[in-house]
Amino acid sequence: DIPLTQSPSSLSASVGDRVTITCQASQDIANYLNWYQQKPGKAPKLLIYDASNLETGVPSRFSGSGSGTDFTFTIDSLQPEDFATYYCQHYNHLLITFGQGTRLEI
Amino acid sequence: QMQLQESGPGLVRPSETLSLTCAVSGGSISSTSYYWAWIRQAPGRGLEWIGSIYYNGNTYYHPSLSSRITISLDMSQNQFSLKLNSLTAADTAVYYCARQHTKSNCFDPWGQGTLVTVSS
Repeated sequence: DIPLTQSPSSLSASVGDRVTITCQASQDIANYLNWYQQKPGKAPKLLIYDASNLETGVPSRFSGSGSGTDFTFTIDSLQPEDFATYYCQHYNHLLITFGQGTRLEI
Repeated sequence: QMQLQESGPGLVRPSETLSLTCAVSGGSISSTSYYWAWIRQAPGRGLEWIGSIYYNGNTYYHPSLSSRITISLDMSQNQFSLKLNSLTAADTAVYYCARQHTKSNCFDPWGQGTLVTVSS
């Protein structure tokens, strides 16, 4: 089991801001890290896979980076529809874990 | 485009067994490129992976739930199912099914989710 530490747990920002969320693993997980967006009452939506690959159809203002133990998720120029909760997720040795989530608020 | 749809009871009594089904359309669960997974989210909480199954029936489960879970496939109906026994109030959650890519182990797409309440 490799816990993921996601921070911050909540974040206040404004339309047009650039925001960054981090996800830290307790040991090297290479690039096996995915990011999701979840809006209230909805299922999560995949945004980034393998740390830095943008899922098809996801706007380019979303990006991910990192490898090993430290990962970053960035939204450039926040749009009103981006206010949601974001989760990182990892797979290792038949065990899947999610970060605790970051609630992005206006 | 692939779609997943969960179905099952919204209310289950403590100590009973929950049975949920995920119907898959727009693709086959016999694909070798994907696992099929269950994930849950307790009210106001984060996401918790429950378990996954491969087309050949191989399963892997969250260690904390493994003694109470069975995930199975129904190829004839193109659906997969979750059984969770010995329910307690702590199992109250929205239950999601999702397609899990074997290469990246990311989940996409997801079902809309179904709320299961454990209460007498």
